[in-house]
Amino acid sequence: EAQVTQNPRYLITVTGKKLTVTCSQNMNHEYMSWYRQDPGLGLRQIYYSMNVEVTDKGDVPEGYKVSRKEKRNFPLILESPSPNQTSLYFCASSLGGPGYGYTFGSGTRLTVV
Amino acid sequence: AQSVAQPEDQVNVAEGNPLTVKCTYSVSGNPYLFWYVQYPNRGLQFLLKYITGDNLVKGSYGFEAEFNKSQTSFHLKKPSALVSDSALYFCAVRANNNDMRFGAGTRLTVKP
Repeated sequence: EAQVTQNPRYLITVTGKKLTVTCSQNMNHEYMSWYRQDPGLGLRQIYYSMNVEVTDKGDVPEGYKVSRKEKRNFPLILESPSPNQTSLYFCASSLGGPGYGYTFGSGTRLTVV
Repeated sequence: AQSVAQPEDQVNVAEGNPLTVKCTYSVSGNPYLFWYVQYPNRGLQFLLKYITGDNLVKGSYGFEAEFNKSQTSFHLKKPSALVSDSALYFCAVRANNNDMRFGAGTRLTVKP
């Protein structure tokens, strides 16, 4: 089944403790992206990648890192999480080109206390 | 840079009535427009898209959307709403740089 897999689905952590949210897609998509969803703000892009070893900042990159060493994986790293990073996170992928829609993962609900 | 506006936070309709969820966009160049739906505790699911051609596009679950270039709108519609249509709906625009921007979302509630 074609899908984007995120792990974990739920995570509660403490301020300052490094964490990684994994994202993997099995559709050979070039384009991958991370979003955070907050009430009233919709989805805001954190980082995106147009292909292996090519990443760029979205609208809200502060406090996050990403890497794209393989085409299928696009992990999101929070080096020192803070409470304002409590949010619902989505990974998405697509073929290259603006006419293609995204396939989304199921989401990761992160709480930083 | 492209942007999307969904002017209504909430839309309430009665089951069986037609529904409209509004979306306006701003983009340089050709617009590539999308609608997604999000059910509780789920990721976003693709409903339909406009790339080119017929201004009325049909999608999943009986939804359709009308592209209006002069009004820069892409409203989502359904002739007869179901209670199961209750969800959060997002409009999105993707530009030639592949960047996809989403609206803030509209919560649709269909009452029996």
